[in-house]
Amino acid sequence: AQTVTQSQPEMSVQEAETVTLSCTYDTSENNYYLFWYKQPPSRQMILVIRQEAYKQQNATENRFSVNFQKAAKSFSLKISDSQLGDTAMYFCAFMKVLTGNQFYFGTGTSLTVIP
Amino acid sequence: EAGVTQSPTHLIKTRGQQATLRCSPISGHTSVYWYQQALGLGLQFLLWYDEGEERNRGNFPPRFSGRQFPNYSSELNVNALELEDSALYLCASSPDFYGYTFGSGTRLTVV
Repeated sequence: AQTVTQSQPEMSVQEAETVTLSCTYDTSENNYYLFWYKQPPSRQMILVIRQEAYKQQNATENRFSVNFQKAAKSFSLKISDSQLGDTAMYFCAFMKVLTGNQFYFGTGTSLTVIP
Repeated sequence: EAGVTQSPTHLIKTRGQQATLRCSPISGHTSVYWYQQALGLGLQFLLWYDEGEERNRGNFPPRFSGRQFPNYSSELNVNALELEDSALYLCASSPDFYGYTFGSGTRLTVV
């Protein structure tokens, strides 16, 4: 079974500062995808960034980047130059390739950006 | 382009009743996924429909069921509601196996 663990239920960061959210996962699969989703108060899940496990290079999307450590099964999200609009729940998620298309989500980290 | 739309936004039901939640995917997306987000928990996979067929099912009892219509919209039915069914139910659609787009969910409250 696949499990995703987010050990930081709540975090806060000053506006314009950098924050890192942690995520670890457990799987015996070799081919999979990892994702970070953001859920603002509007409730809609918004894709922040995704990483293919076969790629060694860490994914980046503007101010968002990941540190993917496959051997350690770690997938942290770094948010640079934090903005007030980054305030949201952040979920780490895992998806196996070719088997059922389902996500396995962590329990989330509530991030508050302080002005 | 319209996103994934879900209705109703909120739903209040009495224990033992049935609830019906609806989802309209993005035009062109043939796959629809349902997830349950209970308070304090991450999203739990419920069901996946593609081309009108149930393709995969999460670890939920049979009273959670659904269907997908020819226009690819979908219904989630929850029978014999229990208090612990109270949650946010999110629908997502995709044109491929990881291009999910989520809706804003239906908040189901069972009293």
